[in-house]
Amino acid sequence: DIQMTQSPPVLSASVGDRVTLSCKASQNINKNLDWYQQKHGEAPKLLIYYTNNLQTGIPSRFSGSGSGTDYTLTISSLQPEDVATYYCYQYNSGYTFGAGTKLELK
Amino acid sequence: EVQLVESGGGLVQPGRSLKLSCVASGFTFSNYGMNWIRQAPGKGLEWVAYISSGSSYIYYAETVKGRFTISRDNAKNTLYLQMTSLRSEDTALYYCARLGVMDAWGQGASVTVSS
Repeated sequence: DIQMTQSPPVLSASVGDRVTLSCKASQNINKNLDWYQQKHGEAPKLLIYYTNNLQTGIPSRFSGSGSGTDYTLTISSLQPEDVATYYCYQYNSGYTFGAGTKLELK
Repeated sequence: EVQLVESGGGLVQPGRSLKLSCVASGFTFSNYGMNWIRQAPGKGLEWVAYISSGSSYIYYAETVKGRFTISRDNAKNTLYLQMTSLRSEDTALYYCARLGVMDAWGQGASVTVSS
């Protein structure tokens, strides 16, 4: 099974900061990776699909990149409403979520 | 409007069974593969099972294989998860979800396994 490792587990940042979240796969996942945002008490929501495609309705400050085993979600200018836990999800071989990165405001 | 509504959750003793349902509306259910995803209290997301649009392809997480059965009735726009031999570690909020670019999630059904 493919393991997905997200780092850091918790990230504190200030409004306006550029934020980078990392997701590393245990083997090549061929860009078959999505990013989900889950706010407290809500169901998850898709932000980015197939590594770097912005889901409809998601602000352009969110972007994704990566290849092989290493993937990144970037928020160009952090907003208060971005406080949430972010999960990467691979579907190249089986289906696996990462453990999540909890994003907090400093 | 796309809607997924789970039901069937509750408190169940270890070793017993429970069946979750998820009724879909607002889209052509029979055209999409569907998933069950769970989230233990205070923990992250765990993919549980997938079923293709016509039920030809079914996959399970190793943690539930042999105990859980995913199925669907396209005539009733309904997805199911039959859970048997339940354990305390199966306690979670169970989401029905259509993943990928056509992303849609239900509100979740709470399952508590405890004596």
